[in-house]
Amino acid sequence: NAGVTQTPKFRVLKTGQSMTLLCAQDMNHEYMYWYRQDPGMGLRLIHYSVGEGTTAKGEVPDGYNVSRLKKQNFLLGLESAAPSQTSVYFCASSYSRARGSNQPQHFGDGTRLSIL
Amino acid sequence: AQTVTQSQPEMSVQEAETVTLSCTYDTSESDYYLFWYKQPPSRQMILVIRQEAYKQQNATENRFSVNFQKAAKSFSLKISDSQLGDAAMYFCAYRSATRGGSNYKLTFGKGTLLTVNP
Repeated sequence: NAGVTQTPKFRVLKTGQSMTLLCAQDMNHEYMYWYRQDPGMGLRLIHYSVGEGTTAKGEVPDGYNVSRLKKQNFLLGLESAAPSQTSVYFCASSYSRARGSNQPQHFGDGTRLSIL
Repeated sequence: AQTVTQSQPEMSVQEAETVTLSCTYDTSESDYYLFWYKQPPSRQMILVIRQEAYKQQNATENRFSVNFQKAAKSFSLKISDSQLGDAAMYFCAYRSATRGGSNYKLTFGKGTLLTVNP
């Protein structure tokens, strides 16, 4: 059982380049999330999705876009990468409230992104 | 907005001993969930234990237990019989139980780095 899979695991970009991070989950979860983790900051929510075709902003959405065309996939895009976006990015997924209100989030292994 | 505070950036414990990691949170809500996640050097985020705010009984998972003090807004993690594999960054997290997708987001503390000495 793969759970939540993130690709790539590492990437180095130059300022101004664009890229897309892919998150795939095989648990039939309704909700998906993108977080970034910076030293001394914990994890902060970038964007999230409560279902196929829907997305919403989290705490730190600027400079990122997301899409959820299929239930199992949640894409995070950087249109013009900046050094401030150097971070470790985590994708997570969970069941919706309808499945039970205490559903935990399941995390991928993270993507380390460096912007030069 | 809810906040989660972990006042101990680093802790250390001797193997086989007990250690307690502190977490406090601020919220005006009465219904919510609290979690402890473990992040070893492999970078995985692993759920250790969770607590529903409406439950008075403290959650326990094998060697891991919590001391949940709702009035004090405190949620500490106790690790008994510490093992070398417990060495990791530990994050306390809060999630609202009210309806709506945005309230399924987790608010994390900044983490406590636990070292286990042999």
